[in-house]
Amino acid sequence: QSVLTQPPSVSGAPGQRVTISCTGSSSNIGAGYDVHWYQQLPGRAPKLLLYINNNRPSGVPDRFSGSKSGTSASLAITGLQAEDEADYYCQSYDRSLSGYVFGGGTTVTVL
Amino acid sequence: QVQLVESGGGLVKPGGSLRLSCAASGFRLSDYYMTWIRQAPGKGLEWLCNISGGSSWTNYADSVKGRFTISRDNGKNSLYVQMNSLRAEDTAVYYCVREAGSGPLKGMDVWGQGTTVTVSS
Repeated sequence: QSVLTQPPSVSGAPGQRVTISCTGSSSNIGAGYDVHWYQQLPGRAPKLLLYINNNRPSGVPDRFSGSKSGTSASLAITGLQAEDEADYYCQSYDRSLSGYVFGGGTTVTVL
Repeated sequence: QVQLVESGGGLVKPGGSLRLSCAASGFRLSDYYMTWIRQAPGKGLEWLCNISGGSSWTNYADSVKGRFTISRDNGKNSLYVQMNSLRAEDTAVYYCVREAGSGPLKGMDVWGQGTTVTVSS
């Protein structure tokens, strides 16, 4: 099982808002370590989507936003588009494991 | 442009060894921590190991500690991982990844296309 817990799948109609949760513990997110999010399109390498909780790299639409509170973080996609169909992963650092950890990934389906 | 290209993947028997390479271009490799991440077929991402810009510091996931060794040659703009005592569960796509910023913990901003390692008899 992954150290960070994500829902396996979420779905929404075009234009809707969806959120993906990422639940950790007091040894990772709750310890103050930042959360980063990655998007993996089918058959492609992952791509950095958000870094340090809610910062977008150049080129990432502002439809993507992030937040962090306590031992959890979340990714929100507003104005859902067909091109957003992908797997999304959260990532942080775990001080007990002394290494980076990922969530199990969430598949976003646009209905 | 900024790019990472992995090579060295292939089919290897259980207990065998393989060395993956990653050629970096478009940026000064020595300025960045670098990481290897893998993805088993149909599974999620797993961080394996990383190395500081000057190679003074390395860190490994428990799943590969003692079997994998990460290294780099900044003069050759290259990152490596030596993988020994390979097991079937090491079968995966292996990604070479640049860590953002001048130190760790800031996310991973550049990914290679991946190289496939298959461990099977």
